[in-house]
Amino acid sequence: DAGVTQSPTHLIKTRGQHVTLRCSPISGHKSVSWYQQVLGQGPQFIFQYYEKEERGRGNFPDRFSARQFPNYSSELNVNALLLGDSALYLCASSSAPGTKNTEAFFGQGTRLTVV
Amino acid sequence: AQKVTQAQTEISVVEKEDVTLDCVYETRDTTYYLFWYKQPPSGELVFLIRRNSFDEQNEISGRYSWNFQKSTSSFNFTITASQVVDSAVYFCALSEAKDNFNKFYFGSGTKLNVKP
Repeated sequence: DAGVTQSPTHLIKTRGQHVTLRCSPISGHKSVSWYQQVLGQGPQFIFQYYEKEERGRGNFPDRFSARQFPNYSSELNVNALLLGDSALYLCASSSAPGTKNTEAFFGQGTRLTVV
Repeated sequence: AQKVTQAQTEISVVEKEDVTLDCVYETRDTTYYLFWYKQPPSGELVFLIRRNSFDEQNEISGRYSWNFQKSTSSFNFTITASQVVDSAVYFCALSEAKDNFNKFYFGSGTKLNVKP
C-alpha cells in the first residue's frame, strides 16, 4: 500500500505569489494534518481536517488555508508568500481524528523555497 | 501549555557507541501521549514509538530503548551500539489525548551523527 504522498517534492516561488501543496493520505485514512518545519526547528501544526471538516488550526496567519476533498486528499494554500514561508511542509495522515488509538504517518514533505 | 524541549542540538558518536537523546516535556494534562520520530535527509518523519502517560514501563526494541519518567517529565531515547544508518534528526513529540483532535507538539530535534 502506498504511504502518504505529497506533491510537488520541491518548489521555488517568488515573494507575493500563491502556492498550492497537495497531500494524499494512506488508503482508508480520513484525517489529514499539515505541519510547517522551518530549517533547524521541529514541525509546527498548521491544520487538521477530518471528513472534510476543519478540526484544528495552529497559530498561522489567514494567508494559510486548506481544504479536504471527498476522497480525503487535501490541499494547503498559502497566499502572498513571504521569505519566512520557506520551509518543509509535512502532511500527516491518520485513520481517526483523535490521538487515543491511532497513529499519524507522515509524508516526505514539500520543500518550499521563497525567493 | 504543551512544550517539548530537546536540549541537545547535535551529537556525534563513533559507530558502536551507545548514545542517549534527551527529551523533557511540559503539560497540564493527566492523559497524554509521547512519541519519538526519526527524520532522515529525505524528510519523512518515521514513527519509532508512542507511549501513553499511564504506562511508565521502559521499552526495548532491538537496539532502541526508551526511558519514561513522569516524576521528571522526561522521555529519553537510547540507541545501543549505534550504526551509521542511525544518523538522522530525532524528534520527541507530545500530543493531548483527544477523541476528535490530533495535534503534535514537537521539540526542536537532535541531530545524531554516527561516524564509521
